[in-house]
Formats: sequence, C-alpha cells, structure tokens
Amino acid sequence: GQNIDQPTEMTATEGAIVQINCTYQTSGFNGLFWYQQHAGEAPTFLSYNVLDGLEEKGRFSSFLSRSKGYSYLLLKELQMKDSASYLCAVRDEDYKLSFGAGTTVTVRA
Amino acid sequence: ETGVTQTPRHLVMGMTNKKSLKCEQHLGHNAMYWYKQSAKKPLELMFVYSLEERVENNSVPSRFSPECPNSSHLFLHLHTLQPEDSALYLCASSQERGGAETQYFGPGTRLLVL
Repeated sequence: GQNIDQPTEMTATEGAIVQINCTYQTSGFNGLFWYQQHAGEAPTFLSYNVLDGLEEKGRFSSFLSRSKGYSYLLLKELQMKDSASYLCAVRDEDYKLSFGAGTTVTVRA
Repeated sequence: ETGVTQTPRHLVMGMTNKKSLKCEQHLGHNAMYWYKQSAKKPLELMFVYSLEERVENNSVPSRFSPECPNSSHLFLHLHTLQPEDSALYLCASSQERGGAETQYFGPGTRLLVL
C-alpha cells in the first residue's frame, strides 16, 4: 500500500514561519498536493508539485524532491486563521490520491 | 450555489436504518469521489465515478452503495451500518480522473451510527 507520513501536530507563534514535512512511498508518482482543512470544513487546495523544486503562492510555498520522496509546505507570516489541519496527498501511477493523516497547526498570539 | 455541496451536514442513525447522503457539484466536472475521514486517520478513498461510471471501489463493504445518476450528482446509500462507520464522509469532484487537475471537496456529512 501507499505510505505517507507527516507530523501530527505543530505549534507556532503569529508572524512566524512553520515548515510541515511530508515523506512518501508510493507505487509510482503523478504529483503531490497540499490541502488545508479547517475544523468542520472541506479540505481546500493549496498547492500542487509534480517537478522537483519550489512553488510559491503568496505566504505559502511547497517544495518537492522526487528522488527523496519528500515534500514540505512552508507557511510564512503566520496568521491566526492559518490554524488548521494540513493534508499531504500523493497521486500514484493509477492516478489515485492517497492522503497522509494531516498535520494540525496551532497558531498562538 | 457554487462548488461542491453535501447534504445532510450531520446525520445520526441506528444500525438498522437506511439513509442516503447526497453530493452535488456545480463545477462542470466529469469525475466524482467519496472519501471517508475518521479521526486522526488519513482520508480513505471509497468510490470513484468517471463520466457516471464507477471506476473504483476500494474494497468497501456492501452496506455502502454509491449511485451516480448524472455527472453533477452523487449519492451514498447507507444500510445496516456499524458504529465503526461513524466518520466524516467527504465528496469531491474533478475535471477528469487522470489529468493534472486537483479535486474540490464538499464540506462533508458528519455521520454517527448508534
């Protein structure tokens, strides 16, 4: 089966930077996604990486290294509204999405 | 309405009940998905429909029965569920199953089986 690992919880201060790591072992690779999910709400798309390197979108950036089976999501200038669960998902050779269990980020004032 | 909607948002049912979850997407997508999200566990893909045909059934028990009458609507029929089926059930849609596009999720139905 697919194996996607990410930390369970992280805490950071408002205005700081947090990096959420994700490692994966899957049968084939056709892209990695990051989603944000606030409590009681739908997961919403944040970023997509299919080639090695850094993708930047405002305060959020995502990095991928396919050879290492590794990605991270970088959240800069943290705001209270960034408190949420962040899901790493990998699309395999059959184009199925497999998700990690999510990282709960708590932003403190 | 825009995006992906799901009803009901919350559901409590007994083990002998029959109920249905409804999902509707307003994005013009061709593929729809059912996922199960249990506390502290990864999202589990249950079913995939592409162009209204079921293309994926991830060893889901027969007490869950999906239905896709058209590309905009997806149902999950529930019958004789178990307490361990209590979870958040998420519907998602995408433009097509194998492309580079992302999936858009509905808000989910929080199900409690007593």
